[in-house]
Amino acid sequence: DQQVKQNSPSLSVQEGRISILNCDYTNSMFDYFLWYKKYPAEGPTFLISISSIKDKNEDGRFTVFLNKSAKHLSLHIVPSQPGDSAVYFCAASAQGGSEKLVFGKGTKLTVNP
Amino acid sequence: NAGVMQNPRHLVRRRGQEARLRCSPMKGHSHVYWYRQLPEEGLKFMVYLQKENIIDESGMPKERFSAEFPKEGPSILRIQQVVRGDSAAYFCASSPFGQGAIANEAFFGQGTRLTVV
Repeated sequence: DQQVKQNSPSLSVQEGRISILNCDYTNSMFDYFLWYKKYPAEGPTFLISISSIKDKNEDGRFTVFLNKSAKHLSLHIVPSQPGDSAVYFCAASAQGGSEKLVFGKGTKLTVNP
Repeated sequence: NAGVMQNPRHLVRRRGQEARLRCSPMKGHSHVYWYRQLPEEGLKFMVYLQKENIIDESGMPKERFSAEFPKEGPSILRIQQVVRGDSAAYFCASSPFGQGAIANEAFFGQGTRLTVV
């Protein structure tokens, strides 16, 4: 039973354009959501998070949107850069982020120069 | 401030052997989490430990797997009698807090890639 789903295994965009990565979840107890970036042979690196009391959080080129009624969140990267090419994992947690993280399968983003 | 250190980075074991994976948390962090990533999958929670205590092992297979985080030294994830299906990347994360912490306080190590031949 996959509680966090990233339905697009891969995404390719041109440098300078917007990248939109999507994530759906099924567990209503999740109230804290995170995006991690992972390069090959490295561990995941925290990128940005959002609490369920918000519907948007922005940090530089990265913005996460949360639609609680649809149990959907998305990560927008604008403008996309070649260095953004990596696998992006969506993760969710309950109890305000203190519970264990539940990860999606990841989306491989390729930003073409 | 060194990050989360995992060793070895790569480990090859024959079926039936034991695998020991080590994780040294960041300085000042007393909470350790182990996650496993199977090929083409996301990371899956295995176990959460504090010093000398297992807090949540709900993700650990019931047999052959064990974890510890002693008062001194690194956290150890031990897999006995390894099988091919244990081949995966094992990631450790540490945080300064446990219950009530915010998930983004957890920092991941680079992982140990276990290959069972």
